Amino acid sequence: DAKTTQPTSMDCAEGRAANLPCNHSTISGNEYVYWYRQIHSQGPQYIIHGLKNNETNEMASLIITEDRKSSTLILPHATLRDTAVYYCIVRVTNSGGGADGLTFGKGTHLIIQP
Amino acid sequence: EPEVTQTPSHQVTQMGQEVILRCVPISNHLYFYWYRQILGQKVEFLVSFYNNEISEKSEIFDDQFSVERPDGSNFTLKIRSTKLEDSAMYFCASSGSWREGSTDTQYFGPGTRLTVL
Repeated sequence: DAKTTQPTSMDCAEGRAANLPCNHSTISGNEYVYWYRQIHSQGPQYIIHGLKNNETNEMASLIITEDRKSSTLILPHATLRDTAVYYCIVRVTNSGGGADGLTFGKGTHLIIQP
Repeated sequence: EPEVTQTPSHQVTQMGQEVILRCVPISNHLYFYWYRQILGQKVEFLVSFYNNEISEKSEIFDDQFSVERPDGSNFTLKIRSTKLEDSAMYFCASSGSWREGSTDTQYFGPGTRLTVL
């Protein structure tokens, strides 16, 4: 799986959009970008994933650059409960299956300020 | 919404004892995983399991670890002779089903905190 680079930490004001960047310059054509977050010591929580098109769900939006070498996770209206470590993971995915372990980096510690 | 559950939430054991951590994956999922996170460190992959056998394992998953799916719902991680350095959070995850359009997005449980004294 391709390596990702994320800032160690970021601050964002409550109610504002939080934009979390991720660089994955060695991504391959069949690798997806996945985002998870971990609140305190809870289990990692799936947020969103995408291949090359921008994606949006009830939690967040994912913007992937045209060359796919970087992406941005956007939390549109951050709340205090969004304070967490956010992980960007690049991996091959198989429809209907899977079995490969995820490789977590250190992620970005996002702190939402009141 | 279906979710992965794990028991117990916290397990305390003496060094050298055997422990079994239990997980109930999402009901129609086919792939099961164990991860661990030592305090202050990254989440690390241990093992994946499919069709009643190990699919992939990391270097951490040595002979003291074993996994089993003893029935149609539970997935267990056994540590035969615990060491102090096994103290960590252990997360179970599951993914994949035969439903059309399913992906291998992994969904994690809340974790079991293992403390080895």
